[in-house]
Amino acid sequence: GENVEQHPSTLSVQEGDSAVIKCTYSDSASNYFPWYKQELGKRPQLIIDIRSNVGEKKDQRIAVTLNKTAKHFSLHITETQPEDSAVYFCAATLGHLNYTGANSKLTFGKGITLSVRP
Amino acid sequence: NAGVTQTPKFRILKIGQSMTLQCTQDMNHNYMYWYRQDPGMGLKLIYYSVGAGITDKGEVPNGYNVSRSTTEDFPLRLELAAPSQTSVYFCASSYGRWGGRETQYFGPGTRLLVL
Repeated sequence: GENVEQHPSTLSVQEGDSAVIKCTYSDSASNYFPWYKQELGKRPQLIIDIRSNVGEKKDQRIAVTLNKTAKHFSLHITETQPEDSAVYFCAATLGHLNYTGANSKLTFGKGITLSVRP
Repeated sequence: NAGVTQTPKFRILKIGQSMTLQCTQDMNHNYMYWYRQDPGMGLKLIYYSVGAGITDKGEVPNGYNVSRSTTEDFPLRLELAAPSQTSVYFCASSYGRWGGRETQYFGPGTRLLVL
């Protein structure tokens, strides 16, 4: 089955700096890669996702890049703010590319704790 | 829409007791999931369902059971609670079946303590 690993396990940055969180996956068939943010005591929430047919996706201060050859994908947060402090989970799955796709079981990484110092 | 709701928010069980964690979604999602989250260990899939009447095991199903009699509800049953089942349990749902709609929406979680 799929195995997803996240590096590093913790990350501390100064407010305003950029943060990069990297994930690797094992199953070359995986084609959908979401990132979830979980604030302390709250539920995980999707912040951005990418599919294997694109190499990069941006949404304001966050971006995700995918390297299918190396089987890794990264979350980039620019101009970090204290409210970005949270646990970030990456995940991978063989998602749906057509109307007869398989299930959407996500394999999650263990999470990275990002701390943004004011 | 309320999204995904879970009850209870918190529960203390004694070893050997049983309980059902409730999960309901009002987004007409086909797929529903149960995860447990232990500190530093990410989210582990317990069971999932692709539609009413269909369930399947995830990565850590031992000690749990599920049923899916309706599209909206997906309860998780613990029959003989053990300390190893102390965790935070999240229910999630997604459309699942069509391309581009894999996003999973999580409930607020149930914190379970087994003593």
